[in-house]
Amino acid sequence: AAGVIQSPRHLIKEKRETATLKCYPIPRHDTVYWYQQGPGQDPQFLISFYEKMQSDKGSIPDRFSAQQFSDYHSELNMSSLELGDSALYFCASSPNDRGSYEQYFGPGTRLTVT
Amino acid sequence: AQKITQTQPGMFVQEKEAVTLDCTYDTSDPSYGLFWYKQPSSGEMIFLIYQGSYDQQNATEGRYSLNFQKARKSANLVISASQLGDSAMYFCAMIPRRNTGFQKLVFGTGTRLLVSP
Repeated sequence: AAGVIQSPRHLIKEKRETATLKCYPIPRHDTVYWYQQGPGQDPQFLISFYEKMQSDKGSIPDRFSAQQFSDYHSELNMSSLELGDSALYFCASSPNDRGSYEQYFGPGTRLTVT
Repeated sequence: AQKITQTQPGMFVQEKEAVTLDCTYDTSDPSYGLFWYKQPSSGEMIFLIYQGSYDQQNATEGRYSLNFQKARKSANLVISASQLGDSAMYFCAMIPRRNTGFQKLVFGTGTRLLVSP
């Protein structure tokens, strides 16, 4: 079965650079969630999209932005990177907007900011 | 707001023994779902088991079972016959079930399980 695809799997950036993380949900999944997991921490919700519109927002810095495209893939754009942005970034997808609670996680993108 | 508490930062078990990982939660939502995820050192988040708040029976998935005690607001994960490959971080998580959808997962701080030969 197809799974959530995230690219790149690993990314190394310097402070103040920008980064773009991509997420391709499972086919026919129209809801995408982004989570950030810092070293030794639990995942924290950043933002979610349903049908290309932002549906919920968590503790996402103003330096970050995200969107969902017509093919339902999503991109997380991170600017002015800081050392504290080093984390594992997960994307998860869900099959529909209402009543569905299952979220299928991608393998994550490990971002290292030096 | 939802809150998940995992009081065991680490657990140690011998191969083939059973182990229980504790999870308590707090929510004002009448309907919710509880999950357990496994995160090995490679980092991926692997879904293990799900329990709905109105499910009459405790969930089971192979060697995993969820000991759901609604009145106590606990959802402990039981792993039977531990294997070396079970060594990983385990997260308990919950999600409210609302008609509006779009709900995010709230995670606990995790329990690191180490299985020894």
